[in-house]
Amino acid sequence: DTAVSQTPKYLVTQMGNDKSIKCEQNLGHDTMYWYKQDSKKFLKIMFSYNNKELIINETVPNRFSPKSPDKAHLNLHINSLELGDSAVYFCASSQGRVIRYEQYFGPGTRLTVT
Amino acid sequence: AQKVTQAQTEISVVEKEDVTLDCVYETRDTTYYLFWYKQPPSGELVFLIRRNSFDEQNEISGRYSWNFQKSTSSFNFTITASQVVDSAVYFCALSEAGKSTFGDGTTLTVKP
Repeated sequence: DTAVSQTPKYLVTQMGNDKSIKCEQNLGHDTMYWYKQDSKKFLKIMFSYNNKELIINETVPNRFSPKSPDKAHLNLHINSLELGDSAVYFCASSQGRVIRYEQYFGPGTRLTVT
Repeated sequence: AQKVTQAQTEISVVEKEDVTLDCVYETRDTTYYLFWYKQPPSGELVFLIRRNSFDEQNEISGRYSWNFQKSTSSFNFTITASQVVDSAVYFCALSEAGKSTFGDGTTLTVKP
C-alpha cells in the first residue's frame, strides 16, 4: 500500500487556468505538508497542516490555497496559473505537530504551465 | 533564522570510492532536529536519518555513516565503498520551532 499518494502525477496546463493537486496519507500521521521543488532541485516548504489546522504558511502567493478536509488529506488548489508555477510539488506527512520526526513524501506532481 | 548550507553542489566519484557530503547549519534554538534525505533519479524523496540536537552520537548504517558535531554546526554524511545505486541528490534538512528548512542538495554521481 502506498503511504503517501498524490494525484495527478503529471499536470500540463495553460497560463491562467485553475488546477488542484490531491494528497492522501494512510500512515495515521497528524501533520501534512506541501513542498515545491524547482528546476534546480531546490526544495521549499509551502504549507503545513496539523489535524486540519494550518500551522505553517510560508511566503507563497495567495493564488495557492491548501485545504485539509481531514487529517489524512491535504489538497492544493492553484488559481490563475503562471509560468513560474512550473515545478514538482511534493506532499509529505509526519507524526506530531513539531517537525521532530521524519517526513514521508509522496511521489510528486510535475506541474508544467505553458 | 535557520539556514542549511550544502556547499558541494555536485560530486562525482568512481565506484568503491568513499565520499563525504557536507552539511552546515545555523540555528538559534537549542532544540532542533537534523535530517538527511535521498532523491534518486526516479524522483521520490526517501528519509535516511534523523538526529536531535542533544544526541551527538555518530551513527553507522551499513555503508552509510553520519558525523554530527555541534561545535562546528555540521552534520556530515559519508558513504563508504560507493555504488552506482548511490547516485542521487542528497538533502540535509533542519527543523526547529515547527519549521523545516532544506539545504540546496548535493548531486552525487557514482560512475562504474
